[in-house]
Amino acid sequence: KAGVTQTPRYLIKTRGQQVTLSCSPISGHRSVSWYQQTPGQGLQFLFEYFSETQRNKGNFPGRFSGRQFSNSRSEMNVSTLELGDSALYLCASSLGGQGDLPPFNEQFFGPGTRLTVL
Amino acid sequence: AQSVTQLDSHVSVSEGTPVLLRCNYSSSYSPSLFWYVQHPNKGLQLLLKYTSAATLVKGINGFEAEFKKSETSFHLTKPSAHMSDAAEYFCVVSVRSGGSQGNLIFGKGTKLSVKP
Repeated sequence: KAGVTQTPRYLIKTRGQQVTLSCSPISGHRSVSWYQQTPGQGLQFLFEYFSETQRNKGNFPGRFSGRQFSNSRSEMNVSTLELGDSALYLCASSLGGQGDLPPFNEQFFGPGTRLTVL
Repeated sequence: AQSVTQLDSHVSVSEGTPVLLRCNYSSSYSPSLFWYVQHPNKGLQLLLKYTSAATLVKGINGFEAEFKKSETSFHLTKPSAHMSDAAEYFCVVSVRSGGSQGNLIFGKGTKLSVKP
């Protein structure tokens, strides 16, 4: 089974621009989560989509948005880029069901998109 | 609120010696706990997971972790370090409550260095 794929792997943008990142989950997984990883803040949760609906959201400004398509593929968008948005953006997929048995929210990660804002 | 504390930001061992990476968690509910590894410029790979079935959990590459509820700990160990184990390790908790799938909460990470 193919793993989680993310495109592009590397991006260089300038301040003020916007960017769209793409994530294709593992086949059969309906939940996609996005994370930002920086040296200073570590791994921070951005949002989670399940069945085309945002189910959870982290503490990020509205410049960060996302969506999920009917085939579970997801995109995240960052508008009006700032220098501080430079980071590794990781996407993770999971089955996403609400079953009663653990493990809860076992997620599988993609290789990430390295965004550099100049 | 849920939280995860990795007690060491950096651990250095010699090849062939044991590895111990420490993690404490805080949770009001029965958690699921994970250890992930991240090699330089790579994504996160699941090492092992605790699901309440057994307190001693075996993972890939010879790693294991023991869940101790009384100590709220989930330390990662390996009997003998290999050079390829050099990476950053993350302890992660996920708590489901009120029907919500919950988010993953990451520790700050522990960088493991392995000396020849």
